Amino acid sequence: GAGVSQSPSNKVTEKGKDVELRCDPISGHTALYWYRQSLGQGLEFLIYFQGNSAPDKSGLPSDRFSAERTGESVSTLTIQRTQQEDSAVYLCASSLAPGSPETQYFGPGTRLLVL
Amino acid sequence: QKEVEQDPGPLSVPEGAIVSLNCTYSNSAFQYFMWYRQYSRKGPELLMYTYSSGNKEDGRFTAQVDKSSKYISLFIRDSQPSDSATYLCAAFTGGGNKLTFGTGTQLKVEL
Repeated sequence: GAGVSQSPSNKVTEKGKDVELRCDPISGHTALYWYRQSLGQGLEFLIYFQGNSAPDKSGLPSDRFSAERTGESVSTLTIQRTQQEDSAVYLCASSLAPGSPETQYFGPGTRLLVL
Repeated sequence: QKEVEQDPGPLSVPEGAIVSLNCTYSNSAFQYFMWYRQYSRKGPELLMYTYSSGNKEDGRFTAQVDKSSKYISLFIRDSQPSDSATYLCAAFTGGGNKLTFGTGTQLKVEL
């Protein structure tokens, strides 16, 4: 089957607007992760889902960021009242099970630009 | 200080050269070490992973971990222009659920 898919691939928004980023994991993968990749910063962990619960939200940078997941399927990352510093590539990954990094596959990312 | 440190480069080498990419880490709880390759405007793809100290070889790629010095290396033999990408090292505790990444090293292999 297909790999991890993300949409949109690119998003340009104005400061203060809300945005929703979508991730479709590989079928059968129970664990889902969101990362943010900024220039010169590498990948920063945002949130992890096991099924539709989020045991680890420790990487969300502020309360403007939230995420949800329906069952063991699609996840949405929402950024409210976007700021210019939110501009980055948002990457989603899924794995068969938590604690199995060797099975973690990444999507192509959503490139977010906040003007 | 970041838990995983990596020289961002860029690193430019001629085709056929041996490339050495390195990371250091500070968290002694890390047990799994990964190397990802990321082409421009693509997501990272897993190249290799190792558990604890030691070497692992896969074709032209060799991953090496020295836990005593907290040093991670990736060697690429007979480098090709198609190896031009950003290489990211990452570490994982085994009990947690997230990967901790270095910033990535940009590699260019020139004809």
